[in-house]
Amino acid sequence: EDQVTQSPEALRLQEGESSSLNCSYTVSGLRGLFWYRQDPGKGPEFLFTLYSAGEEKEKERLKATLTKKESFLHITAPKPEDSATYLCALYSGGGADGLTFGKGTHLIIQP
Amino acid sequence: EPEVTQTPSHQVTQMGQEVILRCVPISNHLYFYWYRQILGQKVEFLVSFYNNEISEKSEIFDDQFSVERPDGSNFTLKIRSTKLEDSAMYFCASSISQETQYFGPGTRLLVL
Repeated sequence: EDQVTQSPEALRLQEGESSSLNCSYTVSGLRGLFWYRQDPGKGPEFLFTLYSAGEEKEKERLKATLTKKESFLHITAPKPEDSATYLCALYSGGGADGLTFGKGTHLIIQP
Repeated sequence: EPEVTQTPSHQVTQMGQEVILRCVPISNHLYFYWYRQILGQKVEFLVSFYNNEISEKSEIFDDQFSVERPDGSNFTLKIRSTKLEDSAMYFCASSISQETQYFGPGTRLLVL
């Protein structure tokens, strides 16, 4: 059974204080690992797809990396508008169409 | 930029009543999904739909649930007889390639 564990559950940073969010996973065959951002009361907003170990993707202050067992979302010099819950999800394919989500990391950036 | 839309944004219903949640996926997408998120919990997969039929469903998607694509643009989720535990945010998603899924803003369902 596919499993996704995200840590920490919550993280409070000062504006400009860089950090990383972790997503550990177990999966029989990884077809894709996804990062989403979710604001309160809203739907998940797509950020990145990673397909294989060693792959990296960047968007503004965010950078996602992937190893065979975990993924990191690095946030560089965050701003208050980066405050949100960041979700990690797996797609294993092979007839399993649905994404398996982690519980998320609730990130607060204080001015 | 194309996006998934959902209606209504909020729905309040009495236990035992039927509800229909509506979604308009991104126009050139071929795969459609429903997920739910109970308050404070993780997003959970319900069902996927491709080529006018269900391709996969989770254990949550029991006989009380059904999905339909009644025309070329809408995708609906029906809950036949709602229970208190059906209260949740329901998200529709669509994808072109069965991988990267784009989510709608959700419908908040409250069953009283």
